[in-house]
Amino acid sequence: DGGITQSPKYLFRKEGQNVTLSCEQNLNHDAMYWYRQDPGQGLRLIYYSQIVNDFQKGDIAEGYSVSREKKESFPLTVTSAQKNPTAFYLCASSMVTAQGYTFGSGTRLTVV
Amino acid sequence: AQTVTQSQPEMSVQEAETVTLSCTYDTSESNYYLFWYKQPPSRQMILVIRQEAYKQQNATENRFSVNFQKAAKSFSLKISDSQLGDTAMYFCAFMKPRVTGNQFYFGTGTSLTVIP
Repeated sequence: DGGITQSPKYLFRKEGQNVTLSCEQNLNHDAMYWYRQDPGQGLRLIYYSQIVNDFQKGDIAEGYSVSREKKESFPLTVTSAQKNPTAFYLCASSMVTAQGYTFGSGTRLTVV
Repeated sequence: AQTVTQSQPEMSVQEAETVTLSCTYDTSESNYYLFWYKQPPSRQMILVIRQEAYKQQNATENRFSVNFQKAAKSFSLKISDSQLGDTAMYFCAFMKPRVTGNQFYFGTGTSLTVIP
């Protein structure tokens, strides 16, 4: 079955460490996105990518980095520069049409 | 910039009753799309319904329907015959198609509880 896989489901990070969240899709979607979800704030866009080897910053890109070396994969690195990284992170993908997103099941990141 | 407002942080409804979740948005665009997403306790985001702004007819998906008022920039979701499985967070979203990549703008969500 086609879908988006995010791993791990839960992730703990010590302060000062970088950590990478995985997002893989087998839907043959062109575009991929990373969102951060905090209570009472809805979803905020971190980065997005329309094609391989190209990506754009979203509204809250500071302290994050991404790569898009393969169409299927769009990993997100939360760097030590991110001041408040504890949050729920959602990856999504879509065709370059207006059909809406398909979401992954999310990763809960906690800084300890 | 586009903004999406959901003014009801929490709502509840009796099982089998009907409930309406409100959403308003602000945009100067003429071509756009609107969505409702459901996020149950599993936190998996699920597309509920989609509306094209150029279509006057309100979208319907089984027990879910929308009341799209383009001039008023309003996009409410009606859930009929509410079921326990409808308990979830509901997000309204606005999308403007762009050559450089479609971008969604989400509201802050409405937490719906269906009471047995």
